[in-house]
Amino acid sequence: DTGVSQDPRHKITKRGQNVTFRCDPISEHNRLYWYRQTLGQGPEFLTYFQNEAQLEKSRLLSDRFSAERPKGSFSTLEIQRTEQGDSAMYLCASSGRVAGGSSYEQYFGPGTRLTVT
Amino acid sequence: AQKITQTQPGMFVQEKEAVTLDCTYDTSDPSYGLFWYKQPSSGEMIFLIYQGSYDQQNATEGRYSLNFQKARKSANLVISASQLGDSAMYFCAMREVGSQGGSEKLVFGKGTKLTVNP
Repeated sequence: DTGVSQDPRHKITKRGQNVTFRCDPISEHNRLYWYRQTLGQGPEFLTYFQNEAQLEKSRLLSDRFSAERPKGSFSTLEIQRTEQGDSAMYLCASSGRVAGGSSYEQYFGPGTRLTVT
Repeated sequence: AQKITQTQPGMFVQEKEAVTLDCTYDTSDPSYGLFWYKQPSSGEMIFLIYQGSYDQQNATEGRYSLNFQKARKSANLVISASQLGDSAMYFCAMREVGSQGGSEKLVFGKGTKLTVNP
């Protein structure tokens, strides 16, 4: 499978616990995005990486959230001291110019559904 | 301010008929891009079609076409010959160039739930 993968697909945690999600982008893509989607809404941008550099963060990304992309390959998103309001689907997407294509399309992973109890 | 507006929370269509999903957008940038994504109940966002603001022709991809009316700032998705498997949420999105680092993040509408009836 050469698409974007995310792990885990589902996570249930208790309020106050820390959680970490992983995203593996399409290997040729140098751009990686994290989005959050709550029920009944479209995805909202959280943060952006170009290679290993985190170049943009949304105001939605509080100081309890941290993201990394070491070596410009996979990325992790960590939420510390989770709150019930963090319950959502966390989506990862990647993009980049590949042969015969454009750099504009973002390809999404299946998402990690977080439930904070 | 919301930049993408999808005014149809839900739409119904009979199998094999065509359906149009509405999307209007707001931007002051002369260069922008518009996307449609499909999200089945499994949750994955599936890219359907892209239209650049300078593209002269409306985009088409198989049964999907984008009715791009620049002056009206609309980018409606047309699905021809609907199939049962088309039942899903559909999101319109606009590429927004970030102020830092050149990100091309997507701004999404709230989506339209399409139900295809047999």
